[in-house]
Amino acid sequence: SAVISQKPSRDICQRGTSLTIQCQVDSQVTMMFWYRQQPGQSLTLIATANQGSEATYESGFVIDKFPISRPNLTFSTLTVSNMSPEDSSIYLCSVISGQTDTQYFGPGTRLTVL
Amino acid sequence: ILNVEQSPQSLHVQEGDSTNFTCSFPSSNFYALHWYRWETAKSPEALFVMTLNGDEKKKGRISATLNTKEGYSYLYIKGSQPEDSATYLCASSNSGYALNFGKGTSLLVTP
Repeated sequence: SAVISQKPSRDICQRGTSLTIQCQVDSQVTMMFWYRQQPGQSLTLIATANQGSEATYESGFVIDKFPISRPNLTFSTLTVSNMSPEDSSIYLCSVISGQTDTQYFGPGTRLTVL
Repeated sequence: ILNVEQSPQSLHVQEGDSTNFTCSFPSSNFYALHWYRWETAKSPEALFVMTLNGDEKKKGRISATLNTKEGYSYLYIKGSQPEDSATYLCASSNSGYALNFGKGTSLLVTP
């Protein structure tokens, strides 16, 4: 399995500002993903963070709102831009490590937008 | 079934009780079914990944079964303990890597 850390663990932000969330993995991984869970909803995939190329976004998510960086095989960032209260969610990164179908998750970033 | 559905939404049992949850998922283009346990402020913990119809997996007091033809999976907890209190998530995946999650079952085990 992989050990994943995220920063910050939680934040309270003002409407219209942006927040960058960091995800660090203790080993090199090929596949890295970003999910969010809005209150009362399911965990939903935002995008796949690709190393050396642009992220692949799921339907309903766009790069201008959720820019993602993946500078190497152990690190990624997700920015939540021009935030509104609807962006209040838990944001999690996940990875697939080794020859397995299992996705391992970070502890999440709990974001509240006022 | 278009989405992953979990029932019940929440459950409260006494220590020592056995319990089970249900996960229903789309059976078309199915590849794998995942179960996670998620405690507040911690990472979701991967419990099982199952791919074959009839799969049964066990980890301590927790076990899971899979029926891909009818699109459901059961998670069983034998002799529930307070430390089992958590939200249990299931997710299905097709040929890609995206996990399609249900909303989870919130379990509370009281002494």
